[in-house]
Amino acid sequence: KAGVTQTPRYLIKTRGQQVTLSCSPISGHRSVSWYQQTPGQGLQFLFEYFSETQRNKGNFPGRFSGRQFSNSRSEMNVSTLELGDSALYLCASSGGEAGVRGEQYFGPGTRLTVT
Amino acid sequence: DAKTTQPPSMDCAEGRAANLPCNHSTISGNEYVYWYRQIHSQGPQYIIHGLKNNETNEMASLIITEDRKSSTLILPHATLRDTAVYYCIVIRNRGSTLGRLYFGRGTQLTVWP
Repeated sequence: KAGVTQTPRYLIKTRGQQVTLSCSPISGHRSVSWYQQTPGQGLQFLFEYFSETQRNKGNFPGRFSGRQFSNSRSEMNVSTLELGDSALYLCASSGGEAGVRGEQYFGPGTRLTVT
Repeated sequence: DAKTTQPPSMDCAEGRAANLPCNHSTISGNEYVYWYRQIHSQGPQYIIHGLKNNETNEMASLIITEDRKSSTLILPHATLRDTAVYYCIVIRNRGSTLGRLYFGRGTQLTVWP
């Protein structure tokens, strides 16, 4: 099975712009979660989608949003970029059994640099 | 979800067993212990999880104490490729925080030749 794929792998944007990141989960997985990783804050949970519905949201401002499509692919969007949004954005997918979502499979991440 | 405490760093000689401890003294009965690792610049990798009993897979063994307040991840024959940050995470497999992993600072394991 192919793993979790994320595009693009690297991105450079300027302050004030917006960005959309994409994640394709492992085939058959219905849950997709997003995380932000920075040297200062470590790995932080952004949100989780399951069957096109946002199930859980972390403590991030409304500039961070996401969605999930019927094929389980997910996108996250960050509007009005700030320098502090520079980070590695990771997507993880997990299998369909209800409740067994601690076992997550991560993609390689998108490295976003805001200048 | 219960908080976990891990040593910030450990080292281990190649070929020897690496034993990584984790304290989760506030764990409740329906919470599982999960271990992940992150090799530099890659996404985290799931290793193993358990509830009460010891677990083993092709990557590692997980030993959970009888009172469930601590656990140890064992890499039986560490290699240089096992150098990574190891995260111990305690989560419920049911309920409103499903799918939400709380990563602390983890333990930086360095395997030396």
